[in-house]
Amino acid sequence: QQQVKQSPQSLIVQKGGISIINCAYENTAFDYFPWYQQFPGKGPALLIAIRPDVSEKKEGRFTISFNKSAKQFSLHIMDSQPGDSATYFCAASRGNYQLIWGAGTKLIIKP
Amino acid sequence: DAGITQSPRHKVTETGTPVTLRCHQTENHRYMYWYRQDPGHGLRLIHYSYGVKDTDKGEVSDGYSVSRSKTEDFLLTLESATSSQTSVYFCAIAGTSGGDTQYFGPGTRLTVL
Repeated sequence: QQQVKQSPQSLIVQKGGISIINCAYENTAFDYFPWYQQFPGKGPALLIAIRPDVSEKKEGRFTISFNKSAKQFSLHIMDSQPGDSATYFCAASRGNYQLIWGAGTKLIIKP
Repeated sequence: DAGITQSPRHKVTETGTPVTLRCHQTENHRYMYWYRQDPGHGLRLIHYSYGVKDTDKGEVSDGYSVSRSKTEDFLLTLESATSSQTSVYFCAIAGTSGGDTQYFGPGTRLTVL
C-alpha cells in the first residue's frame, strides 16, 4: 500500500517529441505528488508537484496529469530537449513529511 | 539552491572502519533525512530526524546510526563499513514553509573496499 510504481525504467525520445513517465499508487491517503529531476552527479531537485484537488498542473514544458480514480499520475515533457536528459523520480506523501519514491526513469533525448 | 552541504563529498575507506558523513543546513528546517542511492534501487531512506535528538529508522537502517544534536547538523555513522554500503548518500531537508517538499544536498560518494 505504501509503494509507488514508476514506469518505464528508461526512455529514449527524439528531440522535439513528448516524453511521458507514469506512476501508480495504492494508498488513497496520499495527498501530495511531486516529480524530481536528477542530473548525473547532482542531488534530485523538485521539478513540479500536484495535489489531488486538480487534474492537471502545467509549468512551462512540464505537465503533471493526475487521475484520482485510477490512482495514477504522469509527467509529460513537451518539446523534449537534450538538456532534459536526466533521471526522473515520482513520489507521494500523505502529509507526514515522508516521501514514498518511485524507482526512477532514465530519460535520454536524442538530438 | 537550498543551503545544504555534505561532507566529505567523496570518501574511500576499508571494510571494518567507522565512517561519519555530515549534513549541514542553513535553512532552519525541522526535518532532515539520509538516503542512499544505488543503481536499480532509486532512493532508499536510511534514517530521518524530526527535531533535535528526535530520529527514526527508515527502510534500510541496518548498519547505520544517526545523531542530531543541533538543528543544522545531521550525522550519519557507519559503525563498521561493509562493501554493501558502497553507495551515494544524499541528505535532504524539509520544513513547514515547503510542506512535504524535500530539498537535497549534493551527495557523498562512499566507496568501501
